[in-house]
Amino acid sequence: QKEVEQDPGPLSVPEGAIVSLNCTYSNSAFQYFMWYRQYSRKGPELLMYTYSSGNKEDGRFTAQVDKSSKYISLFIRDSQPSDSATYLCAMKTSYDKVIFGPGTSLSVIP
Amino acid sequence: ETGVTQSPTHLIKTRGQQVTLRCSSQSGHNTVSWYQQALGQGPQFIFQYYREEENGRGNFPPRFSGLQFPNYSSELNVNALELDDSALYLCASRGQGDEKLFFGSGTQLSVL
Repeated sequence: QKEVEQDPGPLSVPEGAIVSLNCTYSNSAFQYFMWYRQYSRKGPELLMYTYSSGNKEDGRFTAQVDKSSKYISLFIRDSQPSDSATYLCAMKTSYDKVIFGPGTSLSVIP
Repeated sequence: ETGVTQSPTHLIKTRGQQVTLRCSSQSGHNTVSWYQQALGQGPQFIFQYYREEENGRGNFPPRFSGLQFPNYSSELNVNALELDDSALYLCASRGQGDEKLFFGSGTQLSVL
C-alpha cells in the first residue's frame, strides 16, 4: 500500500461545476496537509495548507482534513478553465520530508 | 512567482554522463529540498539540506548528491546517468519553522 493514494483521473467537468478532489493516506503521524496545483511542465504551486483536522477556506477553494478516516479533500467552487491542471495532495510529519500523491488531472470545459 | 529559481530549464544528456542542476532559494529560506518527478507521477523526495548539511534522504542511490552554499543556493549532481533519470527535477525551499514548501519551475532532464 502506498503512503498516499489519489485517483489520477483524468477528471473533466463543465465550467461552473463544483470539483471534489480526494486523497487517502496510511501514516497516522501525518500532521501537515497541503494541496498543490501544477500546470504542465511547471513546478507545483501551493494552494492550501492545513495543520491537523478541520476545514480551511480560501476564495473558491476549501480544504478538508479528516484524520480519523485518513482522508483529505479539496473542493473547488465555480470552476474555471484556468483551474485545468494537475492537483497534488501532499503531507508530512514534523521534521520529515513531504510525501506527495500521484496527482489528479483536471480539465474544466468552457 | 515563488522566488525559487532553477537553471537550466531544459537539458539533454546521454547515458553515462554527469549533470549538475542549480537552484536559488527564496530569500530567507535556509532549507532546500530536491524532488524528482517522472511523467504522470507525483514528486519523489531525493534529499534535503539545512545550513549546508544533508539532513534527510529519500530512496535514491549515492550517484545523486547535492550541495548547499552559504547563500542558500544549492546544486543537485547526478553521476552515471541512466535512461530512467529522465524526469522533471524540482527544487523547493522553506523558511525555518515553516512547513510550507515553495517550488521552482524545475529542470526537465532528458537522458538519451
